[in-house]
Formats: sequence, structure tokens, C-alpha cells
Amino acid sequence: DAGVTQSPTHLIKTRGQQVTLRCSPKSGHDTVSWYQQALGQGPQFIFQYYEEEERQRGNFPDRFSGHQFPNYSSELNVNALLLGDSALYLCASSENGKTQYFGPGTRLLVL
Amino acid sequence: GENVGLHLPTLSVQEGDNSIINCAYSNSASDYFIWYKQESGKGPQFIIDIRSNMDKRQGQRVTVLLNKTVKHLSLQIAATQPGDSAVYFCAVWAAGGTSYGKLTFGQGTILTVHP
Repeated sequence: DAGVTQSPTHLIKTRGQQVTLRCSPKSGHDTVSWYQQALGQGPQFIFQYYEEEERQRGNFPDRFSGHQFPNYSSELNVNALLLGDSALYLCASSENGKTQYFGPGTRLLVL
Repeated sequence: GENVGLHLPTLSVQEGDNSIINCAYSNSASDYFIWYKQESGKGPQFIIDIRSNMDKRQGQRVTVLLNKTVKHLSLQIAATQPGDSAVYFCAVWAAGGTSYGKLTFGQGTILTVHP
């Protein structure tokens, strides 16, 4: 049984560019959450998707947007990249929204 | 908002010792708590959880204690092994008003186990 998978594993972009990160949830999970983890910090909640809708959002600007597909997979889009967006982006899935299981993350570097 | 903090950023123990990692939270409406382990280059790994109607829960070599009176939880690892070396995060779930709720993470404690 595959756990949460994310792609790509690493990504390098330049300021002003746009990026799309992808996540496939654990089998049987219908809820996907995205987190940003800066070096040496705990994960910060970006938003959560359930039934293809954004159910909850953290304190992130509108440059961060997402989508959930009918198969429960999800994308995180970040527009107009800033240097400060460099981080590990984590996807977590759950079947109740609370007990979240994380993928390996995508390491984004913005130059 | 929810503030989740850890008392110590680092903890060094000898193999075989018991480890205790502490976490404080601020929101009395928090009703669900999770401990995660994160190894270098990996995503957080679920260790154990506890609901607010409990004050203790045990897993394999791990125990979580919850004290709602002082808004404090701890993770105890018995017979710590070198493979337990990692960053440990507590995460707290709280809903507020009309919001569904979210998980808020502490900054993490680095556990180093010496052979």
C-alpha cells in the first residue's frame, strides 16, 4: 500500500516564476493538506482540500493556490515566486482531516 | 491563534536511556494532539496521538502524556536507540469559530542518541 507520494523531489526556480507541486494521497484518504517547512522550523499550514474544495486556509498570500482532483490527488501552485518561498513543501493526507500522514516533500529553491 | 512551543531545542541521551520531550500549547480549545518524528531529508512520520479526553496513551516504546490544566504534553521514549535520533514535533489540532480547524506544529526538538 503506497503512502503519500509527491513530485518532483527537488525543484529550482527563479524569482517571479510559477511552480506546480503534486501530491497523491495514501490509499483510502480523501483529504489533502499542504505545509511549508522552512529550514530549522516546524511545518506551517497552507491549506486543506476536501471534496475538491479548499476547506481551511492558513496565513499565506493568494499567490499560493491549490486544487484537488476527483481521485483526491492535489496540486499546489505558487505564483510570482520570492526568495523567501524557498522551503520544503509537504503534503499530508488523512481520512478525517486531523490524523495526517506526510509525504517526503518537495524541496523548492528560488534563486 | 495557537502557539505551540517546546521547552528545549536539543536533547542528547545515551543509548538505552529514557527520553522525554516536552511541548506547551496555548489554545484551551485544542482537542487533538500528535507527535511526529522527522529524519533528515524526509517528511514527518506519525508516532502517536492523543485526544483531549485522555491524559495518557502508550504505544510501542512511546508514551504521550497530556496535562490540559497546564496545557502541556510530553513524549516519552523508552530505551532510546540510535535510530530514534531525529527532530520531534508536537502538533496540536484546534478549531475556532466557523473554521474547520487546523494542525499547528511546534518548532521541534532535536534528539541525539549516543551509542
